[in-house]
Amino acid sequence: KQEVTQIPAALSVPEGENLVLNCSFTDSAIYNLQWFRQDPGKGLTSLLLIQSSQREQTSGRLNASLDKSSGRSTLYIAASQPGDSATYLCAVPSSNSGYSTLTFGKGTMLLVSP
Amino acid sequence: EADIYQTPRYLVIGTGKKITLECSQTMGHDKMYWYQQDPGMELHLIHYSYGVNSTEKGDLSSESTVSRIRTEHFPLTLESARPSHTSQYLCASSDPSLYGYTFGSGTRLTVV
Repeated sequence: KQEVTQIPAALSVPEGENLVLNCSFTDSAIYNLQWFRQDPGKGLTSLLLIQSSQREQTSGRLNASLDKSSGRSTLYIAASQPGDSATYLCAVPSSNSGYSTLTFGKGTMLLVSP
Repeated sequence: EADIYQTPRYLVIGTGKKITLECSQTMGHDKMYWYQQDPGMELHLIHYSYGVNSTEKGDLSSESTVSRIRTEHFPLTLESARPSHTSQYLCASSDPSLYGYTFGSGTRLTVV
């Protein structure tokens, strides 16, 4: 059964800091990994998708890496801003459903203070 | 603009009522999903569909039912609402390879 763990559960940083969010998964037979952002009381917004053949994917100040063999991914946020405050979730295809659905981690709640 | 829509945004109803949460997408995605999320907690998959006339149960046991008569429409129904059904319900869609995963804004349901 695919399980996704995210560390830390919560993170509070001052504006301008660079930070790293961690994600690990138990079943490495995945073909992609996605990072999402969720604002309070809202749905999720897709940030980055990394194919299993890629090692990194970048979008603006966000950089996601994937080490499939070790079952790990990191999301790097450069020069954090208060507007980055949200919960960040990683998700991988679930072996429970033949990889046809996503399994989500519990998320890292990020607070960036001015 | 391609998007996914959920209605109502908020719903407060009495115990025992039948309710249907609506979800529609304009992206032509074959796959659609319903998730349940309690405040501050993780998402749990309760139903999904591969396409028209396809419905599957997810990881979390749910007393709700779904239907998929049209590609763009994936409603969720509770025949008799109970306070334990109070939660946020999120609808999503994607292409068959899970690309383009898009979520609606959610329906926050309160059963009193």
